[in-house]
Amino acid sequence: DAKTTQPNSMESNEEEPVHLPCNHSTISGTDYIHWYRQLPSQGPEYVIHGLTSNVNNRMASLAIAEDRKSSTLILHRATLRDAAVYYCILREGAGGTSYGKLTFGQGTILTVHP
Amino acid sequence: NAGVTQTPKFQVLKTGQSMTLQCAQDMNHEYMSWYRQDPGMGLRLIHYSVGEGTTAKGEVPDGYNVSRLKKQNFLLGLESAAPSQTSVYFCASSYSGQGGKLFFGSGTQLSVL
Repeated sequence: DAKTTQPNSMESNEEEPVHLPCNHSTISGTDYIHWYRQLPSQGPEYVIHGLTSNVNNRMASLAIAEDRKSSTLILHRATLRDAAVYYCILREGAGGTSYGKLTFGQGTILTVHP
Repeated sequence: NAGVTQTPKFQVLKTGQSMTLQCAQDMNHEYMSWYRQDPGMGLRLIHYSVGEGTTAKGEVPDGYNVSRLKKQNFLLGLESAAPSQTSVYFCASSYSGQGGKLFFGSGTQLSVL
């Protein structure tokens, strides 16, 4: 299975941008990069995903390195409600041998200071 | 749409008892999965299913069984509960394909005494 590596924790101040890194050096050409976050006492929720190009949505931006071995989730202006555990995972295509085996790892605990 | 619905939300079992956790989705998703999350830990994949009638083992399948008789339902069974199975259980579903984003249920808090 392709694996990801994330820092255990990061801190930010409210209203400032946050860059959450993820390393995935064994990524294959068809793997999509997904990001999820888990607020306290809730189930994880989808944030963003991409393949090669940078992606933007209302929640965040995803910057993908040219060699695809790393990516960065960008929260443009952190709020207190963004304090959560952020998970970076790789998802194979439906024909892949590990297609359904989505593993989450420990994630990054983001603390946002007022 | 209800999304992904898990029942029950809370359950207390005695060691050796059996029970089934239920997961239902109304989004016509092919893929469904069960995770467990211990306090302060990340999610660990128990079992998953890529379509009706098919299931496969995840990272921590021992002590659990699953069934996917209908596309919209994915059941997680504990035949003989153990204290080590005390955890929060999450069900997730998605469309097939690497672009399919996962939708999670709100979780089932299970305590085994």
